[in-house]
Amino acid sequence: IQMTQSPSSLSASVGDRVTITCRASQTISSYLNWYQQKPGKAPYLLIYAASSLQSGVPSRFSGSGSGTDFTLTISSLQPEDFATYYCQQSFSSPLTFGGGTKVDIK
Amino acid sequence: EVQLLESGGALVQPGGSLRLSCAASGFTFNNYAINWVRQAPGKGLEWVSGISGAGASKNYADSVKGRFAISRDNSKNTVYLQMNSLRDDDTAIYYCAKGGRDGYSQPERNWFDSWGQGTLVTVSS
Repeated sequence: IQMTQSPSSLSASVGDRVTITCRASQTISSYLNWYQQKPGKAPYLLIYAASSLQSGVPSRFSGSGSGTDFTLTISSLQPEDFATYYCQQSFSSPLTFGGGTKVDIK
Repeated sequence: EVQLLESGGALVQPGGSLRLSCAASGFTFNNYAINWVRQAPGKGLEWVSGISGAGASKNYADSVKGRFAISRDNSKNTVYLQMNSLRDDDTAIYYCAKGGRDGYSQPERNWFDSWGQGTLVTVSS
């Protein structure tokens, strides 16, 4: 299953609402996860099962979608949110990630 | 506190072999799937392999199938990745990642809720 993220990069300001999309090449129900990665660090789980917020993750992060189309939204971008974001499907093996979306400062 | 510690990364020549280890603590190890995910320099994430809690179910990315083998020793709380016939494009940081779904130990229909710090594998002559 191929995962396509868009955009591949974006520039935004603190306080902006940011939306990242992820599309699967076939239906994956709600088996879609989102991760954040900062330079030199391991990825960090934000959202699992399309819309469930991982414990400890700020509520400004939210996920939605099912089937083939999914969205990660950051309601008000904070300085610590500048990072790369990846979607990942776990519907079937081989598990696959999207290509990533780099969010940087405008 | 969940901890995952990878080891075994090194510089190896093309065609060579390497075994990575992922030592876990802070959770009931045999109740959870463990996966390997890699990241080539400057590139995105690529899932490599996953193993169920009891070790009965193992899956691989097409790019490593037939060359890599995943296993686990639940008495030692450790997962291994045996890598054979290494190629230049296997160069990457290799992370182990724990399945996050309670009461469910398969890699599929799951998520990665804890990650190690990674170990670097460099394949070069």
